Order: sequence, then C-alpha cells, then structure tokens
Amino acid sequence: EDKVVQSPLSLVVHEGDTVTLNCSYEVTNFRSLLWYKQEKKAPTFLFMLTSSGIEKKSGRLSSILDKKELFSILNITATQTGDSAIYLCAVDVRGGANNLFFGTGTRLTVIP
Amino acid sequence: NAGVTQTPKFRILKIGQSMTLQCTQDMNHNYMYWYRQDPGMGLKLIYYSVGAGITDKGEVPNGYNVSRSTTEDFPLRLELAAPSQTSVYFCASSYQRIAATNEKLFFGSGTQLSVL
Repeated sequence: EDKVVQSPLSLVVHEGDTVTLNCSYEVTNFRSLLWYKQEKKAPTFLFMLTSSGIEKKSGRLSSILDKKELFSILNITATQTGDSAIYLCAVDVRGGANNLFFGTGTRLTVIP
Repeated sequence: NAGVTQTPKFRILKIGQSMTLQCTQDMNHNYMYWYRQDPGMGLKLIYYSVGAGITDKGEVPNGYNVSRSTTEDFPLRLELAAPSQTSVYFCASSYQRIAATNEKLFFGSGTQLSVL
C-alpha cells in the first residue's frame, strides 16, 4: 500500500529559528513529490520535486528530494509568525488520475 | 479570477439527511477532484473526473456520488449522511493530470461538514 509519512506531527518554534520538516514515502511508480502550505483554508502549492539532489528554493523556503532513501525535507530559515501553518507532503505516482497521496501534515507554530 | 469556488463553507446535517456540495471552476480545467481531510490526517481522494461525463472512484468513495455534466461543475452528493462523514471537504482542479509537466492542483476554500 502506498504510504506517505511526515514528521514531526507538530512543531513549535520561536521567530528566527530554522526548521526542517520531513517527508518519507513508500510508493510504487514514483513520479514526483509536492509540498503544500495549508493555513486556515485551502492548501497552496510550494514546490514540486522530481529529481534527487536538486534543491528548489523560494525565499526562505527550500526543499530537496532523495529518491534513493525515499524522503524529502522542507527547510524554513528565519521563521516568521506568518509561516505558522500545516505543511503537507504529497506524492504523485504514475498511472491514472487517482495518484496523489498526501501525508498527515506537520503543524508548525511560530511564536514571537 | 475566481478559481475554484465551493459552497457552502459550513454545514451541519442530521444523520440520514442528504446534501450536495457544490464546486465550480472557471479555469477551463479538465481534471477535478474531491478530497476529504479528517483532523490530523492527510487528504483522501473521494472521487475524480478527467472531463465532462467521466468520473471515477478515489480512495474513499463509499457514501458519496458525483456527476460531471459540464467542464465547470463537479458536485459531490452525500446520501444518508453518517457521523463518519464529518470532515472538511476540498474540491480541486488541474488542467492536466496532477504533476504532469509541473501542473499544480488548485484548491477551493473547503467545506466544513458536521453530521450529528
């Protein structure tokens, strides 16, 4: 059975801290891994990763994929209170449209 | 742009009642999806559609029905609501299949449903 596991489940940090969120997966026919940020409402897209070792970066957020060890990390540097959200990892597998498996998410809380 | 619009935002149902969650998108997307998100859990796919007139089951389709008569609309029907259907429901769409050529999912703002 395809599985996506995120850790930690929740995390509380102070503004300015750096955090690392983890996503490991066990799926057949891996195509890509996606990160989403979910605040109060709908998830919003952050990154899509398809190749090992290539870092994707957007401002203070960056992410990298390791296809050999089957995991990805999402780094956030110099955290701000606006980074407080649930961060979802999802894995896309080949074949059909029923193919995006989500992890349970990591709830990040950044306190001033 | 309106994007993906879901209604209602909140609803409380009694056990056994039925209702339809509405979803419409104005981006001319072919693919549409319904997900549910339970507390502390990831999103689970209920049903999806790859175009008007075509629908298929996802991971957790029991207790739900869908239709896709137009490209824009993808309503989700709950028949005989049960407490286990208490969840947040998200509609989503994409032009191509998910993650094809960096395609992204566009989500609606969600419907909080409670069945009591």
